[in-house]
Amino acid sequence: GEDVEQSLFLSVREGDSSVINCTYTDSSSTYLYWYKQEPGAGLQLLTYIFSNMDMKQDQRLTVLLNKKDKHLSLRIAETQTGDSAIYFCADSRQLTFGSGTQLTVLP
Amino acid sequence: DGGITQSPKYLFRKEGQNVTLSCEQNLNHDAMYWYRQDPGQGLRLIYYSQIVNDFQKGDIAEGYSVSREKKESFPLTVTSAQKNPTAFYLCASSIAGISTDTQYFGPGTRLTVL
Repeated sequence: GEDVEQSLFLSVREGDSSVINCTYTDSSSTYLYWYKQEPGAGLQLLTYIFSNMDMKQDQRLTVLLNKKDKHLSLRIAETQTGDSAIYFCADSRQLTFGSGTQLTVLP
Repeated sequence: DGGITQSPKYLFRKEGQNVTLSCEQNLNHDAMYWYRQDPGQGLRLIYYSQIVNDFQKGDIAEGYSVSREKKESFPLTVTSAQKNPTAFYLCASSIAGISTDTQYFGPGTRLTVL
């Protein structure tokens, strides 16, 4: 079946940028999503990108989409301790989520 | 305030018992979903419903059952046939259940089988 993959862990220093990467297999995806999950909580939609876009910026968040390589990334500028969470990319066409990337922000 | 609620937040059950997880939404969304989350894994779709009185199996429906008698409610029953039910269960809803709809998630229920 279709698949979405992410690396499991990322650590950054407070104030640095974080880049979380995701690859997907379904080339017919219409939208690709980024969700944030804090400990013991549900998922919160962060942002999404339509498949005909290359980039979307929303305050500290920048989403880059490379359709040719089926690669999606989420960049968080000036990472804060409150950004520590698990981040999921999702391909909504297939209702498929990646395994999540645990972002740890070090003081 | 509109949103999705799941209850209870923590649930314990003995092996061999059925248990029902509640999911309610007041967003007037047609579609609702149930996912299971295990440590180090992404969400896996159990069941989804695009309209009242209709639902479809997801990737891991075995050992689970659902009902959709009302638009606002989509309860999930974890039956004794589910071999490894201990997990975090997330409910979500979206406006119309098509692929371009954003899903809104509830806070989750952590089920532990003793």
